[in-house]
Amino acid sequence: QQQVKQSPQSLIVQKGGIPIINCAYENTAFDYFPWYQQFPGKGPALLIAIRPDVSEKKEGRFTISFNKSAKQFSLHIMDSQPGDSATYFCALSGGSNFGNEKLTFGTGTRLTIIP
Amino acid sequence: GAVVSQHPSRVICKSGTSVKIECRSLDFQATTMFWYRQFPKKSLMLMATSNEGSKATYEQGVEKDKFLINHASLTLSTLTVTSAHPEDSSFYICSASAVPLYGYTFGSGTRLTVV
Repeated sequence: QQQVKQSPQSLIVQKGGIPIINCAYENTAFDYFPWYQQFPGKGPALLIAIRPDVSEKKEGRFTISFNKSAKQFSLHIMDSQPGDSATYFCALSGGSNFGNEKLTFGTGTRLTIIP
Repeated sequence: GAVVSQHPSRVICKSGTSVKIECRSLDFQATTMFWYRQFPKKSLMLMATSNEGSKATYEQGVEKDKFLINHASLTLSTLTVTSAHPEDSSFYICSASAVPLYGYTFGSGTRLTVV
């Protein structure tokens, strides 16, 4: 049973455009929603994360939008650059034992930014 | 910031031999460490969760006797792939967490090739 659905599977955007990646979940017990960026042959790196008590969070060019009632959250990348070309994963975690609870990952989105 | 060091980055071994992968939290003490496996162009699949000084908790379908996890200290966890076979070839990634300062920090991964 897939706990988080991520879309699209792949995305091509022109430089300067705003790619948007979406994730949807079912279990309302999740309360930590991070996004990770992974380059080929490397481990994932945390980009930005949000808790369900806010609807939006910005860090640099990255923004998370969170819709608690719809159980969806999305990543927006402003002014995208070719260096942003990577695979992006949403993830979620829940429970009172933050840090000790496992992360559940989405299926990933392969983003390509063309010059 | 939190740094997790994973070694080796690449290893090639012969079928039937064992391989050990190390995961160290360099500048923090990790309460929990996680081991993931990732197939090409796929998402991260959690293999096991370990806490210092206690036995690892394996995910369903992961062979405990094949993938031995030792969490000897708050800064070191090891994954040993025993009697490796070609089907064990994969990208293995560790993650460490330290509550409340740090969330989940990932290592750079280990590419295991069994020949």
